[in-house]
Amino acid sequence: EIVLTQSPATLSLSPGERATLSCRASQTVSNYLAWYQQKPGQAPRLLIYDASNRATGIPARFSGSGSGTDFTLTISSLEPEDFAVYYCQQRSNWPLTFGGGTKVEIK
Amino acid sequence: EVQLLESGGGLVQPGGSLRLSCAASGFTFSTSPMSWIRQAPGKGLQWVASIGANGIATYYADSVKGRFTFSRDNSENTLSLQMNSLRDDDTALYYCAKGASTRPFDYWGQGTLVTVSS
Repeated sequence: EIVLTQSPATLSLSPGERATLSCRASQTVSNYLAWYQQKPGQAPRLLIYDASNRATGIPARFSGSGSGTDFTLTISSLEPEDFAVYYCQQRSNWPLTFGGGTKVEIK
Repeated sequence: EVQLLESGGGLVQPGGSLRLSCAASGFTFSTSPMSWIRQAPGKGLQWVASIGANGIATYYADSVKGRFTFSRDNSENTLSLQMNSLRDDDTALYYCAKGASTRPFDYWGQGTLVTVSS
């Protein structure tokens, strides 16, 4: 099983600041890595797929990078609606796995 | 507009059974791999099972293998998850999602809550 480790667990930032979230895989997942955003009481929403492709309707302030085992989600300038939990997920191997999540909270 | 609507959740005793359903609309269901993903209260996301577009190939997390059965009806655009021998740690919000190993989870339902408790 591929283990995805997200860091940090919590990120305390102010609106307008840059957020950098990390996801590390225990073995290579090529570029089959996605990022999801989840707000309280809501279903997750796909933000980035295949490491660097923004999903439909996702603002340009969200960007993804990386390949192999190390991946980054960057939010260039935090908007109030961006404070949420973010999960990475790999679809390279069965079982499909998610990281433990990073909570981006208002400082 | 893509819609995924789960139903069938509820309270069940340990060892009991429950059948979840997911009604899909707004996309070509018969060519789309589909999955179930769950989230225990206050916890992260856990993939449960996936099914290929034609319903032949199915994949399960080790924690549910042998107890859960995932099926689909492409004529009705519906998914079913038969859950047997339920345990306390199956308690979670169960989401159906479009996608699997060939595509990311690009659409999610709102979830149906399963509570396993005596």
